[in-house]
Amino acid sequence: EVQLVESGGGLVQPGGSLRLSCAASGFTVSSNYMSWVRQAPGKGLEWVSVIYSGGSTYYADSVKGRFTISRDNSKNTLYLQMNSLRAEDTAVYYCARVIGLTLRFWGKGTTVTVSS
Amino acid sequence: DIQMTQSPSTLSASVGDRVTITCRASQSISSWLAWYQQKPGKAPKLLIYKASSLESGVPSRFSGSGSGTEFTLTISSLQPDDFATYYCQQYNSPWTFGQGTKVEIK
Repeated sequence: EVQLVESGGGLVQPGGSLRLSCAASGFTVSSNYMSWVRQAPGKGLEWVSVIYSGGSTYYADSVKGRFTISRDNSKNTLYLQMNSLRAEDTAVYYCARVIGLTLRFWGKGTTVTVSS
Repeated sequence: DIQMTQSPSTLSASVGDRVTITCRASQSISSWLAWYQQKPGKAPKLLIYKASSLESGVPSRFSGSGSGTEFTLTISSLQPDDFATYYCQQYNSPWTFGQGTKVEIK
């Protein structure tokens, strides 16, 4: 059974850093496209980043240069390193498995709050 | 970047109603469009991909149509479980979502 479990969220001050993790089971992260999507409180969905099976990475303009997506094949885990955090990065962050370029399987999300 | 515009933002309907949500792309995305359903406090769920293909396990009352820049999601007979927010998403280059349509009880 496919499962995605996000962790690492929390309260961080503006300018700070946080690393989110997404532990996968039931499939191999490195063989799939994997993505992060976020949702600010009361707002819609915003695509954040994707890593292709070949290792190429892409980012939304809003996070480019500040966030880094990566994976650890030995742990079957996806990561999102978030630096220079801003109040507008406050959101629930979901990881998702991409199949056929659609976001087919989602985790339950982890909450990031950026506030002083 | 490709912008996606959904209408309406909110839709009030009754059980049994036929409901249609529209999504417009700022440039042609062929059929690279998906629809998701999200309920409060839950992760989104894929309903439709490639504009009109029904995801496995999704009830047949959901259907999608369109290509290029105009797309629709139709629920043929609204059920109590369908009150939720719906998002379109283009995956042509690379991914952007519409702002969402909340379907609420009339």
